[in-house]
Amino acid sequence: QSVLTQPPSASGTPGQRVTISCSGSSSNIGSNTVNWYQQVPGTAPRLVIYSNYQRPSGVPDRFSGSKSGTSASLAISGLQSEDEADYFCAASDDTLNGPVFGTGTRVTVL
Amino acid sequence: QVQLHQWGAGLLQPSETLSLTCAVSGGFFTGYFWSWVRQSPGKGLEWIGEINHGGTTHFNPSLKSRITLSIDTSKNQFSLNLRSLTAADTAVYYCARGHMGDYWGQGTPVTVSS
Repeated sequence: QSVLTQPPSASGTPGQRVTISCSGSSSNIGSNTVNWYQQVPGTAPRLVIYSNYQRPSGVPDRFSGSKSGTSASLAISGLQSEDEADYFCAASDDTLNGPVFGTGTRVTVL
Repeated sequence: QVQLHQWGAGLLQPSETLSLTCAVSGGFFTGYFWSWVRQSPGKGLEWIGEINHGGTTHFNPSLKSRITLSIDTSKNQFSLNLRSLTAADTAVYYCARGHMGDYWGQGTPVTVSS
């Protein structure tokens, strides 16, 4: 059950900047860090942002993350065709004592 | 490079038990929690539970009564058993490293149908 709310879709032309929002509550985003995952349909999720804004090795610096209160955002600047995928946010939830995930946003490169 | 490879039966009947195993290579096995997550079109991504090398476990309360997690540190493997399956358990099941998952297995599609 997806607890974190994301817009179902976002799109942009190559080179543009796309921003995806993730809305939670005080028990998850409000008190814990946020991860972001990229998932090409039919493959496993790939971590692109951890601890709100940190990028794992190998993730382009076009990807950036931020958090404020009970919401978080992922921005993709200089959009490329290879960025077309589903993106999910995640945060640990103090009520569940485990992670909760976003509803997912399909990014389309026009 | 950390890699997780998972396997198990993908087509099961209602009331049967799902058994999946995940093997870890390329990194430390101790010092982490090892997780199971499932993904279905209806429910999205759902955390199932986690286990560490010492056998400490945490479960999603909605699934706790049907789950067994085990770990074999000699083989760098961990396993999931989910009992009393119903059609609602149909999903792609993933193993992952850590509480939030920084490395993921390739996924196992599981269908529960008579």
